[in-house]
Amino acid sequence: NAGVMQNPRHLVRRRGQEARLRCSPMKGHSHVYWYRQLPEEGLKFMVYLQKENIIDESGMPKERFSAEFPKEGPSILRIQQVVRGDSAAYFCASSGDSSYNEQFFGPGTRLTVL
Amino acid sequence: GNSVTQMEGPVTLSEEAFLTINCTYTATGYPSLFWYVQYPGEGLQLLLKATKADDKGSNKGFEATYRKETTSFHLEKGSVQVSDSAVYFCALGTDDKIIFGKGTRLHILP
Repeated sequence: NAGVMQNPRHLVRRRGQEARLRCSPMKGHSHVYWYRQLPEEGLKFMVYLQKENIIDESGMPKERFSAEFPKEGPSILRIQQVVRGDSAAYFCASSGDSSYNEQFFGPGTRLTVL
Repeated sequence: GNSVTQMEGPVTLSEEAFLTINCTYTATGYPSLFWYVQYPGEGLQLLLKATKADDKGSNKGFEATYRKETTSFHLEKGSVQVSDSAVYFCALGTDDKIIFGKGTRLHILP
């Protein structure tokens, strides 16, 4: 019973390049959440998606960041024209229903922007 | 709005000491409460949870009780081990999201 999968685990990009982070939720889960964790800080909510729908993107920066969760395939967090300040760990979580239950976290993708 | 406040770290204890990490919350309605743990280089793992007032969550020797009257969910363990060294996050869950505290780093010395 595979848990939440994220890939890549580590991603290095140069300034101006694009970063694509993938998240496969736990089997049977249809709710996906993305969080960003800066060094020595807590988790910041970015976006909440259900299949083919963005439910809450109140934590997403207005520019350069986008997320999708297509009918088939993993959820993708896309960062265009990366800058050094985007360097962080990005975690994906999934749940089977609402957050009243629990969210199961993936191992994270550590993005480094050179 | 909804929020979680937990004690700042780092917290450094000797092995077998008693642990308390304080957590208080502000919420409308009746949230669920969680403690997550993050070991170095890993994602968060659910440690324990409580879904209603007076519930006690417990796991791996850790406990926390949902106190509505004091809006608290303090984490306790009677005798910590070196392997408990990690960052601990208190969180509350509402209809559509979980709100995390800033985390408390715990160091256990042998």
